[in-house]
Amino acid sequence: NAGVTQTPKFQVLKTGQSMTLQCAQDMNHNSMYWYRQDPGMGLRLIYYSASEGTTDKGEVPNGYNVSRLNKREFSLRLESAAPSQTSVYFCASSEFLQSYSNQPQHFGDGTRLSIL
Amino acid sequence: DAKTTQPPSMDCAEGRAANLPCNHSTISGNEYVYWYRQIHSQGPQYIIHGLKNNETNEMASLIITEDRKSSTLILPHATLRDTAVYYCIVRVVGGGADGLTFGKGTHLIIQP
Repeated sequence: NAGVTQTPKFQVLKTGQSMTLQCAQDMNHNSMYWYRQDPGMGLRLIYYSASEGTTDKGEVPNGYNVSRLNKREFSLRLESAAPSQTSVYFCASSEFLQSYSNQPQHFGDGTRLSIL
Repeated sequence: DAKTTQPPSMDCAEGRAANLPCNHSTISGNEYVYWYRQIHSQGPQYIIHGLKNNETNEMASLIITEDRKSSTLILPHATLRDTAVYYCIVRVVGGGADGLTFGKGTHLIIQP
């Protein structure tokens, strides 16, 4: 009963380093999402993938890249980490149908990223 | 997506019903109301959603006013584990697979 799995759970980086956050879901969902959450704030959408082979920018995409590796996996990459990217990162998935889009999103437990 | 307004915090006694209000006065006819909650340090958890009829599931009930400008999430018998931030989100049906817009939510504290 894994749902959405994110790795790693914690990471500390130095400014300028790069890293990739991994996300995998086992619910056969076709849509996946990356959000960030800063202290005391709600989640903000970074990128999303409506289906395998497509990705789109969300509200705060600058400084990030994504790859939808296959239907199960959606990774988020920081090419040159900056202190402003210190945050908690959440991955989510949902079943998206062309005829309607009211299916809920299911979230992982997050990656806590600190950039010094 | 329409904007929502929620009180920043609420208290409720354990065992009582917790009623969390949400105002969405600019909601459109094709927008659903969703509720999620986030227990400390965890990912958001889906609770319930509805369009215009009242909805109930094993976690909660959702009451939407007839004019759809506000709604109330009801946790019928609150427990200490229900302490969390609750988010009310309005989202267009058929608007694509784009993400949810989270506000700051209501921090519900269940008192023993």
